[in-house]
Amino acid sequence: RKEVEQDPGPFNVPEGATVAFNCTYSNSASQSFFWYRQDCRKEPKLLMSVYSSGNEDGRFTAQLNRASQYISLLIRDSKLSDSATYLCVGTNQGAQKLVFGQGTRLTINP
Amino acid sequence: DTGVSQNPRHKITKRGQNVTFRCDPISEHNRLYWYRQTLGQGPEFLTYFQNEAQLEKSRLLSDRFSAERPKGSFSTLEIQRTEQGDSAMYLCASSANWDSGNTIYFGEGSWLTVV
Repeated sequence: RKEVEQDPGPFNVPEGATVAFNCTYSNSASQSFFWYRQDCRKEPKLLMSVYSSGNEDGRFTAQLNRASQYISLLIRDSKLSDSATYLCVGTNQGAQKLVFGQGTRLTINP
Repeated sequence: DTGVSQNPRHKITKRGQNVTFRCDPISEHNRLYWYRQTLGQGPEFLTYFQNEAQLEKSRLLSDRFSAERPKGSFSTLEIQRTEQGDSAMYLCASSANWDSGNTIYFGEGSWLTVV
């Protein structure tokens, strides 16, 4: 089993829609969590950290459920510019390194 | 630009040749990471340094791969006797371990194509 698993998609949604991604993690990648965004042929960039209490950054909301070992990302009022691959990321114990999921590809259609 | 810098950005090489990539981390970042990413996959951890010490190596890093960070600043990743399966984007990243959020910043990557 992969340490961090996510549905690769692709997800195709109309502009303005709400879209949600989930990912699950194993015990070896369970210290801290992040969502990274990656545009085609570019490097990953931090979108937001994920806190146990849940956190929001504008149109983006991240949730963590430690009991079920899953993380979610919700994007409201999606924009064309949200089209990208979203990478679910955990860190190992001791938070020494990032452990990435496969990524979920999102396309927002006009 | 004070971000993570990688070069060369693109490299095409014949199978069996050696290649070397260089990474210059963000100034004063004492942690430096190498990841590899193939099409349709997330980045896979290869190795990381704290200052000049290489603290962890993935089993993905075969004997043909070697990474160094001799003075605790820039790092090199060398691949010997390249194989077609080595074709990927090699990402370097850095962080400061005093950063409580452990934010890791990535360079733009070095694309390797082995023909």
